[in-house]
Amino acid sequence: ELKVEQNPLFLSMQEGKNYTIYCNYSTTSDRLYWYRQDPGKSLESLFVLLSNGAVKQEGRLMASLDTKARLSTLHITAAVHDLSATYFCAVEVDGWGGADGLTFGKGTHLIIQP
Amino acid sequence: DSGVTQTPKHLITATGQRVTLRCSPRSGDLSVYWYQQSLDQGLQFLIQYYNGEERAKGNILERFSAQQFPDLHSELNLSSLELGDSALYFCASSLDGGAGQPQHFGDGTRLSIL
Repeated sequence: ELKVEQNPLFLSMQEGKNYTIYCNYSTTSDRLYWYRQDPGKSLESLFVLLSNGAVKQEGRLMASLDTKARLSTLHITAAVHDLSATYFCAVEVDGWGGADGLTFGKGTHLIIQP
Repeated sequence: DSGVTQTPKHLITATGQRVTLRCSPRSGDLSVYWYQQSLDQGLQFLIQYYNGEERAKGNILERFSAQQFPDLHSELNLSSLELGDSALYFCASSLDGGAGQPQHFGDGTRLSIL
């Protein structure tokens, strides 16, 4: 059974600081997704990582994938309050009909304080 | 706005009852996924349909069933409801369910069982 573990699960940080969220998974996959969820809202797609060594950046967020280590990171640079949200990583594996549904981590609840 | 429409937004019902949740995918998307989000289980993949046919199954209970219609909208049927079924149910869609395609999530249906 595929397991996806995120850490930390809760993170409180100050504006202007840098931090990294880690996502480890238990089986071979080169397809990793990051989503953002605001309280009571839907999930917003942030990054799609599809190969070993993939790196994507959008504003203050940068995501990377190391398929050999089965590890993805989401790095936050010079955090601002608007980035407060819950961040999920999700892994995709192949099923009998093609790509299977996503397996999500438990999410990292991020609070950025002024 | 992801383009995925879910109705109703909220549903309150009693144990033992049956409900139907509806989802319209983004225009052009052929594949629909259903997920359940709860505090204790997190985000769990339930089932996937592609162009009217079931493609993948996740942790879906036997009391739950789904289908995708010729116009590509999908319905998730939940029967013999239990207190533990209270959760946020998301529908997501992608172009054709192929590997590496981001899934776009609707706003969810919040189901409360009294």
